[in-house]
Amino acid sequence: KQEVTQIPAALSVPEGENLVLNCSFTDSAIYNLQWFRQDPGKGLTSLLLIQSSQREQTSGRLNASLDKSSGRSTLYIAASQPGDSATYLCAVLDSWGKLQFGAGTQVVVTP
Amino acid sequence: SQTIHQWPATLVQPVGSPLSLECTVEGTSNPNLYWYRQAAGRGLQLLFYSVGIGQISSEVPQNLSASRPQDRQFILSSKKLLLSDSGFYLCAWSPRGQEKLFFGSGTQLSVL
Repeated sequence: KQEVTQIPAALSVPEGENLVLNCSFTDSAIYNLQWFRQDPGKGLTSLLLIQSSQREQTSGRLNASLDKSSGRSTLYIAASQPGDSATYLCAVLDSWGKLQFGAGTQVVVTP
Repeated sequence: SQTIHQWPATLVQPVGSPLSLECTVEGTSNPNLYWYRQAAGRGLQLLFYSVGIGQISSEVPQNLSASRPQDRQFILSSKKLLLSDSGFYLCAWSPRGQEKLFFGSGTQLSVL
């Protein structure tokens, strides 16, 4: 059974620092991996989707890498801003076609 | 453009009462539809998904049920709520044949 783990569970950084969020999964047989952002009490917004054949995806200050063989993905957020404060979740589309989510990393960027 | 509407935003219900949460999608046709539940500090748990009208797949045994009476309408129901049904419920959709998921704004359900 696919298990998705996100470490750390919470992270606080001063404004301007780069953020590094980690996601690991136990079964490398995935179709893709997605990173989502969730604001308190709100739904999820998709940030980046990496296909299993890709190594990374970039969007503005966000960069996500994927190492399928080692079961890891990392989300980098450059030059963090207070507006980046949110919970970030990763999810993998497993071999059964089901999206399996991690518990998320809660990020606070202090001014 | 496509939009997803989910309501209500918050709901407080007594144990044993019925439940009906509704989700509708606009601007697309024949979407895949999903219901997820998010418990505090845990990842999202897939409850139901649907690939078409009247086609519902259940992922976990529970006292919840789902229905899809129209192409772009997905309803989550219960005849008698339990305390353990409390949580944040999210509806989502994806275009047929695509894997990107779009979420509604969620319903915070408290069963007392």
